[in-house]
Amino acid sequence: GAVVSQHPSWVICKSGTSVKIECRSLDFQATTMFWYRQFPKQSLMLMATSNEGSKATYEQGVEKDKFLINHASLTLSTLTVTSAHPEDSSFYICSAGRNGRNTEAFFGQGTRLTVV
Amino acid sequence: DAKTTQPTSMDCAEGRAANLPCNHSTISGNEYVYWYRQIHSQGPQYIIHGLKNNETNEMASLIITEDRKSSTLILPHATLRDTAVYYCIVLIGNNAGNMLTFGGGTRLMVKP
Repeated sequence: GAVVSQHPSWVICKSGTSVKIECRSLDFQATTMFWYRQFPKQSLMLMATSNEGSKATYEQGVEKDKFLINHASLTLSTLTVTSAHPEDSSFYICSAGRNGRNTEAFFGQGTRLTVV
Repeated sequence: DAKTTQPTSMDCAEGRAANLPCNHSTISGNEYVYWYRQIHSQGPQYIIHGLKNNETNEMASLIITEDRKSSTLILPHATLRDTAVYYCIVLIGNNAGNMLTFGGGTRLMVKP
């Protein structure tokens, strides 16, 4: 089946630093990818829609200057958490679907970010 | 997209069938029912989806009522590895490669 890979799986960083998370579709092309955030014992919340070759679309309440998204190719989207604070500590998950095919969404394994 | 309602949690004995209900009373004619699950600290995993007919695959069966206002996901022989949060999601069209709106889901605990 289709595979979406995230890297890193787990990262600890100091407050004020920036962290980049990669989301790759390994065996298919994805014009659109989605970034979710999940706090402990809560459900996934959509943060933004990443569009290849154009600007990302952010959900209400998500700061675009803090969560920078770049979708430079059909197989890679990156989420950069800038000037991270402890409250940004969360589980970040990306998803993608195959271009032009009616299929299910494929999710990455998630990235657990801890800001200390 | 139609809203779904699921029980917060359920227990199931290992080896027995797990039946997870989902209410989607406001579902419209072009909306599909999708099921995903999330094992602790992992990304969600697709299970099955359907429109109005019952569906079965290697993981589970999906039973959709005739009026389509509710459905049941059936894991025929639950194992300890099926312990997870199960999400029922209703989507327009047959393309879940789009964004998904997750509700609270059902936390299934499979016990030995």
